[in-house]
Parts: sequence; structure tokens; C-alpha cells
Amino acid sequence: AAGVIQSPRHLIKEKRETATLKCYPIPRHDTVYWYQQGPGQDPQFLISFYEKMQSDKGSIPDRFSAQQFSDYHSELNMSSLELGDSALYFCASGPGQETQYFGPGTRLLVL
Amino acid sequence: AQKVTQAQTEISVVEKEDVTLDCVYETRDTTYYLFWYKQPPSGELVFLIRRNSFDEQNEISGRYSWNFQKSTSSFNFTITASQVVDSAVYFCALSELRNSGNTPLVFGKGTRLSVIA
Repeated sequence: AAGVIQSPRHLIKEKRETATLKCYPIPRHDTVYWYQQGPGQDPQFLISFYEKMQSDKGSIPDRFSAQQFSDYHSELNMSSLELGDSALYFCASGPGQETQYFGPGTRLLVL
Repeated sequence: AQKVTQAQTEISVVEKEDVTLDCVYETRDTTYYLFWYKQPPSGELVFLIRRNSFDEQNEISGRYSWNFQKSTSSFNFTITASQVVDSAVYFCALSELRNSGNTPLVFGKGTRLSVIA
């Protein structure tokens, strides 16, 4: 069965650089979620989209933005990267009122 | 506000022992979902089970079983005859039901399970 696809899987950036993470949800899933998981932490919700409209906003820094495109893929844009942004970033998708299925994550390291 | 508490930070068991992971939740909503996810050392988050707030039927699936009790706001997870491959961090999570998709997941802090051969 198709799973959530995230790219890239690993990313190394310098401080103050920008990064773009991509997410391709499971086909026919209408909701996409982004989570950030710091080392040894639980995943923290950043932002979500339902039918390409932003539906919820969590603890997403102003330096980050996201959108969902007409083909339902989503991108998380991160600017002015800081050391503390180093984390595992998950995208999840879900068919409305059901389970969220997670992608493999993008491991971001900011040096 | 929603809250999920996993009081056990780390558990170590010897292979073939049974182990129960505890989860207690708080929510003001009457309609919600509870989940367990597994995060092995490779890092991915693997969905294990979902339970609706109106379905208290407990379930057994192979070596896994779940005990959902609304009266005590608990959703515990038991692994029978544990194996080394069960070693992972296990997260309990909660989301609330609404018309336009579920609310984002609120996770517990996770329980790190180590199964020793």
C-alpha cells in the first residue's frame, strides 16, 4: 500500500540558511499534518491542512511557513534556520476523521 | 485542554516477559480518538491501534492487547511474550473528532521499552 513520502530524508544546513521539506500524502487523504520531534522528545504539532486550506496551527515559528498544493502535496518552508531547529520533521496524512499515517520523516541538522 | 500522560519513562524486560505500557488522558470532549504509535530506533512512527471514545471494546491482536477504560481515562497497551524487536519508544496520543478532520495529535512523552535477550 502507498505510504506518505517525504523528501529529502536527511538535510544538513548552516545557521541562517533556508530549507524546504516536501510531503506527498497517501492518495485520497484530504488532511496533511506537520510535526517536529526534537531529540528525546515527543512529536509537536506545527500546522495542518484540510482540503488545501490551513486548518490548525500549532507551535510553528514565524520563520516557518507551509502550504498545500492543488495535487495535495505539501511543503514546509523554513527560513533563518537556528541550531534549535535541528529535529526530525514528520508529515502525516489522514482520510478525514481517521488515523494519521506518518511518513518516514526528514532529519534536519543545522550547523 | 487535551493532555496525555505516560508515567513510565523507561521499562526494561527480559525476552518473553509480558509488559504493560500505561497511558492516562484528559479531554473535555466526549468524542475523541486514542492511538498508540511505535517508534523503533530507525525513527519512523508506526501506527499500532486506534480506539474511538464510544467503543470501549478491548482488543487482542497477536501478541498485542489494549485495555480502554473511560471510567479511569486510561488506554493501556500490553505486549505478551515480548521480543527484542519490540524494543522501541511507544507513544500514546489523543485527537478530538470534528467535522473537518480530526484535531492534531497530542502525544504523551513516550515510554522507551528495552527487551533484553
